[in-house]
Amino acid sequence: DQQVKQNSPSLSVQEGRISILNCDYTNSMFDYFLWYKKYPAEGPTFLISISSIKDKNEDGRFTVFLNKSAKHLSLHIVPSQPGDSAVYFCAANSGYALNFGKGTSLLVTP
Amino acid sequence: GAGVSQSPSNKVTEKGKDVELRCDPISGHTALYWYRQSLGQGLEFLIYFQGNSAPDKSGLPSDRFSAERTGGSVSTLTIQRTQQEDSAVYLCASSLGGGGTQYFGPGTRLLVL
Repeated sequence: DQQVKQNSPSLSVQEGRISILNCDYTNSMFDYFLWYKKYPAEGPTFLISISSIKDKNEDGRFTVFLNKSAKHLSLHIVPSQPGDSAVYFCAANSGYALNFGKGTSLLVTP
Repeated sequence: GAGVSQSPSNKVTEKGKDVELRCDPISGHTALYWYRQSLGQGLEFLIYFQGNSAPDKSGLPSDRFSAERTGGSVSTLTIQRTQQEDSAVYLCASSLGGGGTQYFGPGTRLLVL
């Protein structure tokens, strides 16, 4: 049973524009959320996280928003750059094991 | 080393053979995790080690899978009598403590023919 869902398998954005990647979860016990970025043939790289006590966390071009009532989080990348092209995974946990979505493949075009 | 390392990076084996995958976590990280990613899927939790505590094996898909962690550092994931459905990328991660941000290695790509 998929507890973390990324319903958009792919997204294409022009360079300089905003990329918005979405994630929904079903388990209200999740209290920590993370985004990972993955290039082909590499392991996932930690990008940004947010605790359930916050609704926003920002790090440079990356901002994660959490809406607990809707069980929804999103990752905003602005401005998007070609180097941001990768697969982005949303993950959540309530202990130690991470529950991952299936990923969204982002393509940033020049 | 600076990051999590895994070996081999690729492994091709025949159905029915045993394989061993190795993970070297980040120095000082007490928690170690194994995940696998099958084609088109998200990462699936397999097993978790924290310090000297008994591991959480709740994610292992069958008794053909086992893992150990020697001396609180290096871990080996063993798959016995491999099946074609075991083909996947096996990823190892470590964190400072249980529940901390997990840092992943590059993975081992296993192909069972």
